[in-house]
Amino acid sequence: DAGVIQSPRHEVTEMGQEVTLRCKPISGHNSLFWYRQTMMRGLELLIYFNNNVPIDDSGMPEDRFSAKMPNASFSTLKIQPSEPRDSAVYFCASSFFVGSSQEKLFFGSGTQLSVL
Amino acid sequence: SQQGEEDPQALSIQEGENATMNCSYKTSINNLQWYRQNSGRGLVHLILIRSNEREKHSGRLRVTLDTSKKSSSLLITASRAADTASYFCATGPMDSNYQLIWGAGTKLIIKP
Repeated sequence: DAGVIQSPRHEVTEMGQEVTLRCKPISGHNSLFWYRQTMMRGLELLIYFNNNVPIDDSGMPEDRFSAKMPNASFSTLKIQPSEPRDSAVYFCASSFFVGSSQEKLFFGSGTQLSVL
Repeated sequence: SQQGEEDPQALSIQEGENATMNCSYKTSINNLQWYRQNSGRGLVHLILIRSNEREKHSGRLRVTLDTSKKSSSLLITASRAADTASYFCATGPMDSNYQLIWGAGTKLIIKP
C-alpha cells in the first residue's frame, strides 16, 4: 500500500496565481480530509469528504479556496487567487469511516506552499 | 479552534530515558489519539484510546486516559534518537463522528 499520495511536494508561486494541490487517498478509504498546518494556528481542518461528498467545509477560509473530489481516488484543493498568508503546509488525510466515531487518520507527506 | 493542550511544549532527554507527554482537553470525547510528526513529514498515527479505556500499550508506547480529569499521557520508554519528533494529541468530541480537535504538540528531542 503506497499510503496517501500528495503532489506537488513543494510549491512556490507568486501572489495572485492559481494553486492546485492534489491528493490520492488510500484505496478503500471512504473519508478524506484537507488540513492546513502553520506555526501560529497549528492544524486546521479545511474540508471533510465522505464517500466523495463534501460534508463539512466550514474550515475553508474564504471563497478563494475550493475543493473537489470527483471520485474515490482523487481530490484537489485549489486556491485562486493565492495570497502570501496562504503560505503553509497542506495535508491530505484519509480514513475508513464506519459511522460511529472518529477513526485513525492516514496522512500524506504534505505540500509546502510558499506564496511570494 | 484547538482545545487540546500538550504539556510540555518541548522536552529534551538523553537516549534511553523515558519521555512523558501530557494532553488536556475540555469536552466529552469518543476517543483520544496520539500522532507523531517527524520534521518535514506528515503525521503518523500512534495509538487510539477510547473513552471507556484507561490504558493502552503499543510496543514502547503507553497511553493513559483519565476522563474525570480530561487528560491523557503518552509514555515512551527507553527512548531512541529516532523518537525525536513532535507528538500531537487529537480528541474526538462526542458531538461529532469525524471532527478531531488537535493540540499544539510537544517537540521531543532525544540526545544521543
